[in-house]
Amino acid sequence: NAGVTQTPKFQVLKTGQSMTLQCAQDMNHNSMYWYRQDPGMGLRLIYYSASEGTTDKGEVPNGYNVSRLNKREFSLRLESAAPSQTSVYFCASTMVSTGEETQYFGPGTRLLVL
Amino acid sequence: KNEVEQSPQNLTAQEGEFITINCSYSVGISALHWLQQHPGGGIVSLFMLSSGKKKHGRLIATINIQEKHSSLHITASHPRDSAVYICAPLRLGGSQGNLIFGKGTKLSVKP
Repeated sequence: NAGVTQTPKFQVLKTGQSMTLQCAQDMNHNSMYWYRQDPGMGLRLIYYSASEGTTDKGEVPNGYNVSRLNKREFSLRLESAAPSQTSVYFCASTMVSTGEETQYFGPGTRLLVL
Repeated sequence: KNEVEQSPQNLTAQEGEFITINCSYSVGISALHWLQQHPGGGIVSLFMLSSGKKKHGRLIATINIQEKHSSLHITASHPRDSAVYICAPLRLGGSQGNLIFGKGTKLSVKP
C-alpha cells in the first residue's frame, strides 16, 4: 500500500495562476480531507468529502474548489492563486473500524505564491 | 481565545526523561486525537481516545472529557521522539470534518 499520496511535493506559482493539487489513497477509505498548515497556526480544514460524490466546506474554503473524482482521488484546485495561499497543504483520509477513527496523512505539498 | 491550547509550546528533554504534553479545550467533544509531525513534515496519527487511557509502547494518552483536558506522556524518551505533537479534539456531534487542531508542542530530546 502506498497510503496517501500527493502531487506535486513543491510548487511555485505567480499570483493569479491556477493549479490543482492531487491526492489519492489506496486504502478504500470513504472520507478524505484537505488541510493547510501555516507557521504558528494549527492545521485548518479547507474541504472534506465524507464519501464519493459528496464534498463539504471546512473552516477556510475561500479561494479553493475540490473534486472527489472517485473513491480514491480527491483534488484541490486554486483558480487564481494569491500570496495568502502560500502554505503547506496536507491531504488525509480516514479509516473507521469498531468505533476507532484513524487519520492517514499524505506527505504534504509546499506551495509558494509570489 | 483558541478553542484548543497545548502546553508547553516547546520542550527540551534529556534522553530517558519522562515527558508530559498537555492539551486543554473549551468546546464539547466526543473524542480526541494525538498526532505526531516528524521534522520532515510527515504527520502520523498516534491515538484516538474518548475516555480513560490508552497505551502504545512508550506512549500513554489520557483524557478527562468533563475537565476538558488530555495529556500525552512519553516514558524513557529517545532522540527519535523529537517531533511536533498535535492535539486534535473532535467537536461533539461532528463528523471528522469537525476536528480542531492545537498549534502543537515541539519536543526535542537530546542524547
